[in-house]
Amino acid sequence: DTGVSQDPRHKITKRGQNVTFRCDPISEHNRLYWYRQTLGQGPEFLTYFQNEAQLEKSRLLSDRFSAERPKGSFSTLEIQRTEQGDSAMYLCASSLAGTVRDEKLFFGSGTQLSVL
Amino acid sequence: TQLLEQSPQFLSIQEGENLTVYCNSSSVFSSLQWYRQEPGEGPVLLVTVVTGGEVKKLKRLTFQFGDARKDSSLHITAAQPGDTGLYLCAGARIQGAQKLVFGQGTRLTINP
Repeated sequence: DTGVSQDPRHKITKRGQNVTFRCDPISEHNRLYWYRQTLGQGPEFLTYFQNEAQLEKSRLLSDRFSAERPKGSFSTLEIQRTEQGDSAMYLCASSLAGTVRDEKLFFGSGTQLSVL
Repeated sequence: TQLLEQSPQFLSIQEGENLTVYCNSSSVFSSLQWYRQEPGEGPVLLVTVVTGGEVKKLKRLTFQFGDARKDSSLHITAAQPGDTGLYLCAGARIQGAQKLVFGQGTRLTINP
């Protein structure tokens, strides 16, 4: 079990550019989550997938954000026309669906995005 | 509006002291989780509490869920420098998915 892997670890981009992040979950996990964390705050929920289906998107997720999980394995999060306010740590987590007591989230190390 | 308020936000104490971190809300949660996060890393789950009044112990750490499932506390006995880190509480509002609401965190420093 190699854990949740995120790539890249760091991304610096200029305002207006598009960026894409990748998340590889723990192999047998059927749920995959994206969260965003800004400095000094806890993570905020963005969206989640069960297998390949995107079941919920936060109102925080503007039209510039899109996430996919095409084969129910890895996921990508794309941000179009980046803005300085998009600067944050983007965290991916995976889990095996279960009861509220049994389902445990395993987070990756995140992708730190800086928009200049 | 922060749905989950953690206090204190910062705490610096000496090794061997006891401490309590609080996580409060006006909302009811189906479960409450505590995480620890190191700089540059993702949060790591410590414990999940589900039942009102539930108490869970993890070595020197004691977690309690309030009777009304609106608040929680983390108590550390005889703190050690290795306990240093960011502690986050997170609540699940509904059953069926880990769509969590996180507190802003408590940054704990234990001085040798």
